[in-house]
Parts: sequence; structure tokens; C-alpha cells
Amino acid sequence: NAGVTQTPKFQVLKTGQSMTLQCAQDMNHNSMYWYRQDPGMGLRLIYYSASEGTTDKGEVPNGYNVSRLNKREFSLRLESAAPSQTSVYFCASMGFGGGSNQPQHFGDGTRLSIL
Amino acid sequence: ILNVEQSPQSLHVQEGDSTNFTCSFPSSNFYALHWYRWETAKSPEALFVMTLNGDEKKKGRISATLNTKEGYSYLYIKGSQPEDSATYLCAFGSFGNEKLTFGTGTRLTIIP
Repeated sequence: NAGVTQTPKFQVLKTGQSMTLQCAQDMNHNSMYWYRQDPGMGLRLIYYSASEGTTDKGEVPNGYNVSRLNKREFSLRLESAAPSQTSVYFCASMGFGGGSNQPQHFGDGTRLSIL
Repeated sequence: ILNVEQSPQSLHVQEGDSTNFTCSFPSSNFYALHWYRWETAKSPEALFVMTLNGDEKKKGRISATLNTKEGYSYLYIKGSQPEDSATYLCAFGSFGNEKLTFGTGTRLTIIP
């Protein structure tokens, strides 16, 4: 019973390097989300995908790109990492309820450090 | 940017005492209000999703109420136990989309 699986769990990058964070869910959920969590800031939405084939910007999209590869998978890419992107990244999914009236299910997070 | 505020930011409570904290959110365009418990080194877990004004939800010793007209929700914990130590997040969902806006959380520490 995996739920939402994120890889990797930890990563250290140098400024300017690129990488992709992977997320997969096995609950047949329509909506998927990427958040970042910084001290004192709570969870901030980077991008989300309300259904397969669609993606939309959240509150802090600059410096990131996403791909909704299929219904299960939603990846987050940093093209040129910057120290300001040091954070803990969470992927989440939500079942269809015609809006936000279903709980979100979160992965375990990816701790990313940019040197 | 929607404003979702939680108070207090942190709280220390003696084991066995009851406590409550607040989430304030926009009263217009309301669709849903979520509560999550987030233990250190883990991921947030859903406690409640509330959609109707006057909703009350309960799970064991934890309960929540919702007032959509004035834009607030209370989370109550009765007879606090050490395992209740966590950050409690609320999140607001507005009508017409699947996004949530999270508050910054209330960090609860139970003192044995």
C-alpha cells in the first residue's frame, strides 16, 4: 500500500545543475501537486495538475517546470538550481471530488540542498 | 494571494490538558477547509475536510468546527497526550479549482 512515492529522499546539488524530482501515486487520483516547505513559510504550492494532460502554476512557480507523464506520475524539474531552491519538496495527490473537498495524500518529501 | 492565518504559532500544553487553536480564512468563495497533522520527520496527514457552515468533525480526542460566514475554524484536542505533539496545518480551498492554500501551522508540544 504505497500511496504517494517520491524519489530521491535526499539530494545535494551545485548551483547551476539540473535535476528532476519524481512522484508517483497508486490511488488512481486525478489531481497531483508539488509543494515546497521552508521554515516559517508553511507549504507553498509550486505547480499542480488537476488531471492528466494539464498543469497549472501555483504560488511559487519560478525556476521550476513540471510534467504530468500519465495519471500516476508527476515530475518536478529544476533546470538551473539556485541556493534559494534549497528546501523540502512534497508531492501530494487528491481524489476527484469536483473541487478541493477530498483530502490530499502526501509523499515522504525530498530534502534538497543547493550549494 | 489568499490569506490563511493560524494562531498561535506555537503552543506548549501540559499532558492531560485540553487545548484549541484557530484557522482564519477568506469568507468569500469558500469551498472546503482542511486540517492536517504533521509530525516531525514525517509527511502531513489529513485529519478533517469540512465543507458546510456549522460542520463539526470528530476523530477520537480531536474535533473541529467551521464557520464559513465569518471565516474561521477551530481545532480542539481534549486530554492532550504526548503523541499529539505535532504541527497542525489548516488549508483553504476556494470554489472552482483543486488548489489548497495552507496556513503556516500551529506547533503543539505536549509536556509530560
